[in-house]
Amino acid sequence: IAGITQAPTSQILAAGRRMTLRCTQDMRHNAMYWYRQDLGLGLRLIHYSNTAGTTGKGEVPDGYSVSRANTDDFPLTLASAVPSQTSVYFCASSDSGTSGYTFGSGTRLTVV
Amino acid sequence: GQNIDQPTEMTATEGAIVQINCTYQTSGFNGLFWYQQHAGEAPTFLSYNVLDGLEEKGRFSSFLSRSKGYSYLLLKELQMKDSASYLCAVMDSNYQLIWGAGTKLIIKP
Repeated sequence: IAGITQAPTSQILAAGRRMTLRCTQDMRHNAMYWYRQDLGLGLRLIHYSNTAGTTGKGEVPDGYSVSRANTDDFPLTLASAVPSQTSVYFCASSDSGTSGYTFGSGTRLTVV
Repeated sequence: GQNIDQPTEMTATEGAIVQINCTYQTSGFNGLFWYQQHAGEAPTFLSYNVLDGLEEKGRFSSFLSRSKGYSYLLLKELQMKDSASYLCAVMDSNYQLIWGAGTKLIIKP
């Protein structure tokens, strides 16, 4: 692993199903983030974690939950997927506020 | 509210210079970032400005005016590989990044 790994790369999911998107980093960054990116809307923050054991809500948290049991992992769960959650999901991390974010390669999710 | 504005799309010619503007209104300011994102890929870090002025990094330069809430990214000697979206983001008082919708740059031969 080098940087941030996201899995799966893409997924087609039936509406109403539960799904967990995985994110793992090996840089020992304290802060981690989940974004969704939709055409014309840019990156929107779903949830974030400033350090292991803590999480916070971003701009569009409804329908999503996260956990941060350790420094490396930050999974995003959709409890009951809906078509409006069709998007590209990016996980990111940073070690300090001003050093910029490192992004994973993204998960393309289609809810049908 | 918080707002980041940048043009939706720009077109330029290979070998030329292009300037992508970004204006912002945010609650607090802890720096402005520019990212590059090729289609289907993740954003990658280009530059960070926290003080007024111009930061030069090879063919790319970024300028910031805090009093005007304004930044630009200048790309020189354009290459076809520079075709991408360029994202402007401001770090607010909570050290959260507020993102613009991105500018799609199309380079023509």
